[in-house]
Amino acid sequence: EVQLVESGGGLVAPGGSLRLSCAASGFTFSTYNMNWVRQAPGKGLEWLSYIDYTSSSINYADSVKGRFTVSRDNAKNSLYLQMNSLRAEDTAVYYCAREDLVVVPAVSHYFDYWGRGILVTVSS
Amino acid sequence: DIQMTQSPSSLSASVGDRVTITCRASQSIRSSLNWYQQKPGKAPKLLISVASSLQSGVPSRFSGSGSGTDFTLTINSLQPEDFATYYCQQSHSSPVYSFGQGTKLEIK
Repeated sequence: EVQLVESGGGLVAPGGSLRLSCAASGFTFSTYNMNWVRQAPGKGLEWLSYIDYTSSSINYADSVKGRFTVSRDNAKNSLYLQMNSLRAEDTAVYYCAREDLVVVPAVSHYFDYWGRGILVTVSS
Repeated sequence: DIQMTQSPSSLSASVGDRVTITCRASQSIRSSLNWYQQKPGKAPKLLISVASSLQSGVPSRFSGSGSGTDFTLTINSLQPEDFATYYCQQSHSSPVYSFGQGTKLEIK
């Protein structure tokens, strides 16, 4: 059974840092691209970051570029999100999501498994 | 960046109704459109990929259509468990993605 479990959330002061982890099991983690998505309280989903299975391709949303860093350790089946210079507007539930793709009828990507999410609260 | 706009933002319907949710992309995304269902306090669940491909285990009352810039999610014969928030997502600009703002489906 595919499982993604986030950890490392909590309360942090503005300007502070936090490192989220996502532990993967039930699939060959080293062959899948992964993403982080967040959801502010009462708001919609916001895609944050992508990392391919070899860590050679990484992308970020403009809202977190330069402040957040995604990484992975395939030997530990883990995905990470280092969050620096945190702001009140970064308060959200953070999800890790596995990415898969289809090639027929055309190449298309989707997020087929999600973790349960972890709450990050940025407040003084 | 590709912007995704869903309509309506909220919708009230009754059990047994047929409902349609629309998602519009700011530019053509061909068929690179996914639909997710999210219930309160839960992670999103993938319903449909590539605009119309139903995921395994998803009831056949759910269907998706569209290509280019305009897409729809249709739910036939609404069931109590279908009341949730639905999101579209474009993957045309992979590996940069974007979601619609969501459509909350409520019981009338």
